[in-house]
Amino acid sequence: GQNIDQPTEMTATEGAIVQINCTYQTSGFNGLFWYQQHAGEAPTFLSYNVLDGLEEKGRFSSFLSRSKGYSYLLLKELQMKDSASYLCAPMDSNYQLIWGAGTKLIIKP
Amino acid sequence: GAVVSQHPSWVICKSGTSVKIECRSLDFQATTMFWYRQFPKQSLMLMATSNEGSKATYEQGVEKDKFLINHASLTLSTLTVTSAHPEDSSFYICSARDRGGAGNEKLFFGSGTQLSVL
Repeated sequence: GQNIDQPTEMTATEGAIVQINCTYQTSGFNGLFWYQQHAGEAPTFLSYNVLDGLEEKGRFSSFLSRSKGYSYLLLKELQMKDSASYLCAPMDSNYQLIWGAGTKLIIKP
Repeated sequence: GAVVSQHPSWVICKSGTSVKIECRSLDFQATTMFWYRQFPKQSLMLMATSNEGSKATYEQGVEKDKFLINHASLTLSTLTVTSAHPEDSSFYICSARDRGGAGNEKLFFGSGTQLSVL
């Protein structure tokens, strides 16, 4: 079957760094997306990885290891507005996104 | 960046009525549109996939006669919840895949519609 495993909730301090891990199993693989979703809003695109390695984009970086079925999202210099859910979504061989429940990130002052 | 306009943002309706939700891609052609439902604190659940000019493909467990999807053009898709009941109350989100998006298949999301059925 296809499944996503991310922590349900994480807490971090403003200004710090946090890493959100994601392991996945899919039927085929066509890349992995990370989305941010604030409560009551639609997801917004953060990153896309299709090759192994680290992609850096400002305060956010995303890493992928296809052989391990593993990805992480790294958030630096955390701000209060980063409090949200972070969704890891791999794309299977049919180009369908597989969604998990996401990780709720709570930022404390 | 690409924009997907979804409206209404909020709708409250009486049980038994029908509600139409529109999703438009404003500056790109969307070959494929996806409709999701999300209950509080749960993951996005794909309801159906629609390709322009053809019938939508519904996920298992989603009633096609209850959730009518029309994708008549490359920029517009609609979801109609027919004879809505309180259990249909949910957050509905559309997303579109850019026809010219070869390489990353990125989805662009609408802002979502919160449906409350009384």
